[in-house]
Amino acid sequence: DIQMTQSPSSLSASVGDRVTITCRASQGISNDLAWFQQKPGKAPKSLIYAASSLQSGVPSKFSGSGSGTDFTLTISSLQPEDFATYYCQQYNTYPYTFGQGTKLEIK
Amino acid sequence: EVQLLESGGGLVQPGGSLRLSCAASGFTFSRYAMSWVRQAPGKGLEWVSAISASGAGTYYADSVKGRFTISRDNSKNTLYLQMNSLRAEDTAVYYCAKGTKRPSTVGAEMDVWGQGTTVTVSS
Repeated sequence: DIQMTQSPSSLSASVGDRVTITCRASQGISNDLAWFQQKPGKAPKSLIYAASSLQSGVPSKFSGSGSGTDFTLTISSLQPEDFATYYCQQYNTYPYTFGQGTKLEIK
Repeated sequence: EVQLLESGGGLVQPGGSLRLSCAASGFTFSRYAMSWVRQAPGKGLEWVSAISASGAGTYYADSVKGRFTISRDNSKNTLYLQMNSLRAEDTAVYYCAKGTKRPSTVGAEMDVWGQGTTVTVSS
């Protein structure tokens, strides 16, 4: 199985900050990578697909990059509604696998 | 509007069975792969199973292989997950998700999710 490793596991930031979350795959997955945002008690929301493409309706403050094994999610100008848990997920090879999540908290 | 609505969750004893359903609307269900993803209390997301648009292809996580069966009825726009031999570690919120295949990717990303249904396995 392909292991997905996210870092950091948690992150404290202030409103207005720019943050970056990284995700590493244990083997190459081309660009078959998605990023999700999840708030407590809610279903995950898809932000980015194909490593760098924004889902419809997702603000451009979210951006993704990478290919192969190393990927990043960057969120600019943090607002209160952005504080949540973020997951990466590979969909190149079954079984699909998620990273362990990054909890973004207000400093 | 694309919508997915899960149902069928509940409390079941270890070793018991449960069937989850996911009713789809707002898109041509028969054209899309579908997945189940679960989240144990306080834990991260775990992909459980997927099925191709036609239903011919099915895929499972090792943790559920041989116990869970994914299926779909394209005439009813409904996805199912039959769960047998349930264990305490199967306790989770179960989400269904629509899979969209893009030209630039190998697999299908999960772009729309339902609100989830809770399964509790306990005596």
